[in-house]
Amino acid sequence: SAVISQKPSRDICQRGTSLTIQCQVDSQVTMMFWYRQQPGQSLTLIATANQGSEATYESGFVIDKFPISRPNLTFSTLTVSNLSPEDSSIYLCSSSSERGWETQYFGPGTRLLVL
Amino acid sequence: AQSVTQPDIHITVSEGASLELRCNYSYGATPYLFWYVQSPGQGLQLLLKYFSGDTLVQGIKGFEAEFKRSQSSFNLRKPSVHWSDAAEYFCAVGARDNFNKFYFGSGTKLNVKP
Repeated sequence: SAVISQKPSRDICQRGTSLTIQCQVDSQVTMMFWYRQQPGQSLTLIATANQGSEATYESGFVIDKFPISRPNLTFSTLTVSNLSPEDSSIYLCSSSSERGWETQYFGPGTRLLVL
Repeated sequence: AQSVTQPDIHITVSEGASLELRCNYSYGATPYLFWYVQSPGQGLQLLLKYFSGDTLVQGIKGFEAEFKRSQSSFNLRKPSVHWSDAAEYFCAVGARDNFNKFYFGSGTKLNVKP
């Protein structure tokens, strides 16, 4: 299984600023995913990030608000821009292992609080 | 449209009792099915998965799940719950025909009474 780390693990940000979250996988993977988990809610897919192509966003999520980079096969970043209190959530990245693409493995998440 | 329903928001069981968490899905074909567990302040840990074959799958920590196509269900079971099983459990469907995009249920919070 893939081992995934995220930075930062948590942050408190001011309204109107941005936060960039880093996701590192311990092996090369084709597909990486970004999710949002709002307080007391389930996970909602934000976008799929494939190396060498633009991220594919789900309905309700736009690139201007959630720009994503995928510079190589082990790393991705998600930026949450122009923060508002409604962005307070846990943000998780996931990836599939190259040997078992059907299964997603998750990072520990980044807890964001916007004041 | 794909969807996953976990009808029980909260469940409380006594330690040592058996457990069943329900999951129903809506998908046009046979999906990939998963159960994950999220402990407080933690990420999601994969408990078990179903792709094909034997409809009863075994996972980690003594959990098992049964795929029932006729009922579009994938219920999670454990014969004897331990206090450390208290957590939130998520059922997920992976779309075989759409880059394995995951759809998650709303989760079931499990409390374990001593």
